[in-house]
Amino acid sequence: NAGVTQTPKFQVLKTGQSMTLQCAQDMNHNSMYWYRQDPGMGLRLIYYSASEGTTDKGEVPNGYNVSRLNKREFSLRLESAAPSQTSVYFCASSAGKEETQYFGPGTRLLVL
Amino acid sequence: GEDVEQSLFLSVREGDSSVINCTYTDSSSTYLYWYKQEPGAGLQLLTYIFSNMDMKQDQRLTVLLNKKDKHLSLRIADTQTGDSAIYFCAESMKGGRRALTFGSGTRLQVQP
Repeated sequence: NAGVTQTPKFQVLKTGQSMTLQCAQDMNHNSMYWYRQDPGMGLRLIYYSASEGTTDKGEVPNGYNVSRLNKREFSLRLESAAPSQTSVYFCASSAGKEETQYFGPGTRLLVL
Repeated sequence: GEDVEQSLFLSVREGDSSVINCTYTDSSSTYLYWYKQEPGAGLQLLTYIFSNMDMKQDQRLTVLLNKKDKHLSLRIADTQTGDSAIYFCAESMKGGRRALTFGSGTRLQVQP
């Protein structure tokens, strides 16, 4: 039982390049989330998916798109990376009435 | 301003108790959470408390909730060097979303 896994662990992009961050969970959770964490700040919600086939914007969705491919997988795409998107990206999933969220190890992204 | 506020830094000696404080704004939050983040790692759920509770104890951890003042605290008894980390308080997001609003984190430094 791996929990929440994310790939890649690290990535360096040039401004304007695109990439997709992958996330998968094996806990049969309905809800999945993408957050970004910037230095000295808490996590901010980019997008979330309450169930397979649905996605909704969070606090900071501009410049990102998501796909809830199936119940296990939730990907985050940067179509044209900008230096302001340099951050650590965390994926999470949750279930149950407490909606306790379980986090992946993060993807560290540097946009030059 | 931030919806969830925490002090930035706390330093304690090994063996002492640590108290990390948090204030939140959404009185309709159903659950409040404490997460721990070690350097270079994802967030690990420590504990959570249901909003109709005043206190929850789990081994060395004690969570106190004052709903009137919208104040949440995490007490760590017999603090160890392994407790050095950043601690995040989080509340359920407004509008019924299952995602969380995080504070900016309190860095706990435990001196031997």
